[in-house]
Amino acid sequence: AQSVTQPDIHITVSEGASLELRCNYSYGATPYLFWYVQSPGQGLQLLLKYFSGDTLVQGIKGFEAEFKRSQSSFNLRKPSVHWSDAAEYFCAVVMYSGGGADGLTFGKGTHLIIQP
Amino acid sequence: DVKVTQSSRYLVKRTGEKVFLECVQDMDHENMFWYRQDPGLGLRLIYFSYDVKMKEKGDIPEGYSVSREKKERFSLILESASTNQTSMYLCASSLMGLVTYNEQFFGPGTRLTVL
Repeated sequence: AQSVTQPDIHITVSEGASLELRCNYSYGATPYLFWYVQSPGQGLQLLLKYFSGDTLVQGIKGFEAEFKRSQSSFNLRKPSVHWSDAAEYFCAVVMYSGGGADGLTFGKGTHLIIQP
Repeated sequence: DVKVTQSSRYLVKRTGEKVFLECVQDMDHENMFWYRQDPGLGLRLIYFSYDVKMKEKGDIPEGYSVSREKKERFSLILESASTNQTSMYLCASSLMGLVTYNEQFFGPGTRLTVL
C-alpha cells in the first residue's frame, strides 16, 4: 500500500528565513505528488503538484518542490517565509480506482510556526 | 471559482444519533470525496463516488455510509454516532481523471462533536 511520511510534526522558522518541509513517499509506480496548505479554520488549498517532466515544480504563494526519485522525496521549499505562511502543510499522493476517481493518501501534516 | 460547501461548520450530536453531513459542489464535478481529519493522523479517506449512485470505500469506511442521489450532492451518514467519530470532516470534489489527476477542491470542513 502506498504511504506518505512527513517526518516533522512542527517546524518553527523566523520571518524572512528560508523553509524546507520534508515529504517521503512509498508507491510502486511513478507517483502523482501534491502539497496542500490548510490555514486555521479553512479547507485545504492546492499549492503545487508533480505528474512528470521537470522535477522542480513551481506553485502558488512563492512555493516550489523538487521530486527526487532516488530518495523517494518531494520536499517543499520557500526562499523567504512570511507570517501569513503559518499553517498546516500536507503532502499527498494519488491512488487510482477502477472507476476513475482518484483518492488522495495524505501525510500526517507539518505545522509551520513563524517567529517574528 | 469552484465552490464546495458543507451544510454545517460545527455540529454537536449525542451518542447513538443518526447524523447527516451534506456536501454540495457547483462545478459539475464527477468525483466527490469524504475525508476525516484528526490531529497527528492527517486526512484519511472515508468514501468516494465517481458517479451518481456509485460509491467506493476508502481507507476507513467502518461506521459510515454515503449517498449520492444527485451529481452535485454527496452525503456522509453516521448511522449511530459514537464518541470516536468526533472529528473534522472534509468534503472534496474533482473532475473525472482517466489519464491524469484532476485537482481536488475542498470544502471548509464540518467539526463534529459526539457527546
